[in-house]
Amino acid sequence: DAEITQSPRHKITETGRQVTLACHQTWNHNNMFWYRQDLGHGLRLIHYSYGVQDTNKGEVSDGYSVSRSNTEDLPLTLESAASSQTSVYFCASSPRTLSGTGELFFGEGSRLTVL
Amino acid sequence: GENVEQHPSTLSVQEGDSAVIKCTYSDSASNYFPWYKQELGKGPQLIIDIRSNVGEKKDQRIAVTLNKTAKHFSLHITETQPEDSAVYFCAASIEGYQKVTFGTGTKLQVIP
Repeated sequence: DAEITQSPRHKITETGRQVTLACHQTWNHNNMFWYRQDLGHGLRLIHYSYGVQDTNKGEVSDGYSVSRSNTEDLPLTLESAASSQTSVYFCASSPRTLSGTGELFFGEGSRLTVL
Repeated sequence: GENVEQHPSTLSVQEGDSAVIKCTYSDSASNYFPWYKQELGKGPQLIIDIRSNVGEKKDQRIAVTLNKTAKHFSLHITETQPEDSAVYFCAASIEGYQKVTFGTGTKLQVIP
């Protein structure tokens, strides 16, 4: 079955370190997204991509970067981790649609703690 | 950009009762409104959606209503069951743009 997987599921790191969260989907979806989930804020969009070599900033992109070198993967990098980036991170993908908005398929999340 | 507000943040109901979650949006161009359910330890999953050319949509025990004039939309769950306990997110989007803005979530607890 097609799926979307995130790794690692749990990570503890120190302030200032570089961290990369992996996201891999096997649906061949064009669209991929990274959200962070925090109590009281819901799901906030960090970065998104509509296809290979395409990346766009979301509402909370500062301190994060992504790259899309193939259809299946959208890794999220924290260049210099900060305590404010302690959160649960969700990757999602959706199919390209002609005019509508595709259903988002989420991974199971990556819990990141920055000490 | 779009701003989606969601209330209440927590909701407790007795099994068999109804639950209502309300959302408002700010961008009058938004025309697609999905609802996602997140079970503990999982990612959110789409449960129902509504488009702006429709005022109401039902799927078994769940229904969504949309008031475009007031920029309000709501999720109604009837005959609640313990397995309905989860966090529910409303969201808004402009069809074709793919990007979705979520509300802050409602934690629903159904008490057996």
